[in-house]
Amino acid sequence: DAKTTQPPSMDCAEGRAANLPCNHSTISGNEYVYWYRQIHSQGPQYIIHGLKNNETNEMASLIITEDRKSSTLILPHATLRDTAVYYCIVSVSGSRLTFGEGTQLTVNP
Amino acid sequence: GAVVSQHPSWVICKSGTSVKIECRSLDFQATTMFWYRQFPKQSLMLMATSNEGSKATYEQGVEKDKFLINHASLTLSTLTVTSAHPEDSSFYICSAGGPIGTEAFFGQGTRLTVV
Repeated sequence: DAKTTQPPSMDCAEGRAANLPCNHSTISGNEYVYWYRQIHSQGPQYIIHGLKNNETNEMASLIITEDRKSSTLILPHATLRDTAVYYCIVSVSGSRLTFGEGTQLTVNP
Repeated sequence: GAVVSQHPSWVICKSGTSVKIECRSLDFQATTMFWYRQFPKQSLMLMATSNEGSKATYEQGVEKDKFLINHASLTLSTLTVTSAHPEDSSFYICSAGGPIGTEAFFGQGTRLTVV
């Protein structure tokens, strides 16, 4: 699976949008972009995934650039409970996942 | 979404003993499950792929004789840490996924402490 690069940490004010970037410049045509998050001492939680098109669900939006070399996860109205480590993962299968270091998002009151 | 359950959530064992961790898919059948390990302040590392009805596939550097994996049914995979030592203390997490292009579902994790 292709490697991803994320900033180690980000801060966001409560109620504001959190935009988390991810670089995956070596992504292959059949690899999906997945986002998971992990709250301390819990298993990872699935957020969203996409192949080419932008995606939106009840949790977040995923914006994938046209060349697919980068993406942005958007949490439209961040809450304190969104404080977590966010992982951007590129995978063909979606099940066997290689985790990078992720981004520690801290939502401040 | 689908639910994956791990048991126990935490366990403390004495050095030299063995510990079994269960991972169940509660509402779907999983022919393949995955086991990860996470040390403090580190990311998840894939240990092995558990295959129903066949041998597990271990990642490079993971001792298959120390981390025994059994996947006897479509809803249950077990990880046994044999002859545990303090350095095996970690957070163990399992997952199961659906068809290609769908997401994986993770258990809540098991905190193992070897004393």
